[in-house]
Amino acid sequence: AQSVTQLGSHVSVSEGALVLLRCNYSSSVPPYLFWYVQYPNQGLQLLLKYTTGATLVKGINGFEAEFKKSETSFHLTKPSAHMSDAAEYFCAVSIGYSGGGADGLTFGKGTHLIIQP
Amino acid sequence: GAGVSQSPSNKVTEKGKDVELRCDPISGHTALYWYRQSLGQGLEFLIYFQGNSAPDKSGLPSDRFSAERTGGSVSTLTIQRTQQEDSAVYLCASSLVPAGSYNEQFFGPGTRLTVL
Repeated sequence: AQSVTQLGSHVSVSEGALVLLRCNYSSSVPPYLFWYVQYPNQGLQLLLKYTTGATLVKGINGFEAEFKKSETSFHLTKPSAHMSDAAEYFCAVSIGYSGGGADGLTFGKGTHLIIQP
Repeated sequence: GAGVSQSPSNKVTEKGKDVELRCDPISGHTALYWYRQSLGQGLEFLIYFQGNSAPDKSGLPSDRFSAERTGGSVSTLTIQRTQQEDSAVYLCASSLVPAGSYNEQFFGPGTRLTVL
């Protein structure tokens, strides 16, 4: 079974500062990794994903994440925070369709990103 | 270009009543998923449909929960004899399911269920 750990339930950064949201995973097979964002009273929106190939993936709104197999990490970063980035961020893992069936995403507990003016 | 839709957006019910939550996936998506989001448990995977069949129902929290999907499209999640601990946001997602592919899921806005 796979699992996801997000370090820090709340992260506060100043507007214009670097955003770093941490995600570590465990999986018995090569995983597919995702970051989702959830704005208040809205559903989940995919920010970016890692499937295969390049380990540095770029997503929407200037976010990127790097898959580091040796560290079992998939941290999310953005060079300069904007007020509109304030939201809940979820890291998720999937083993895809191996074993003959699809699986549900396994999510971390989420990190609430606060942007200070 | 409609996304995943869910209804109702909000549901308030009394303890012991049955409720039905509906999900309409993106057209052409063969896989459909239900999740529950609550303060205490975070985001939990409940059940997955490939077409009309659900290969694994072990994620459903109790036997009061059931789900079905007809015509490979709309799905309903039914909770019988609701309890206060069922209060949560129920999210539905859909995805294409080509064999050997990754699992990008598109989420609906959710149904907020409150059991009084």
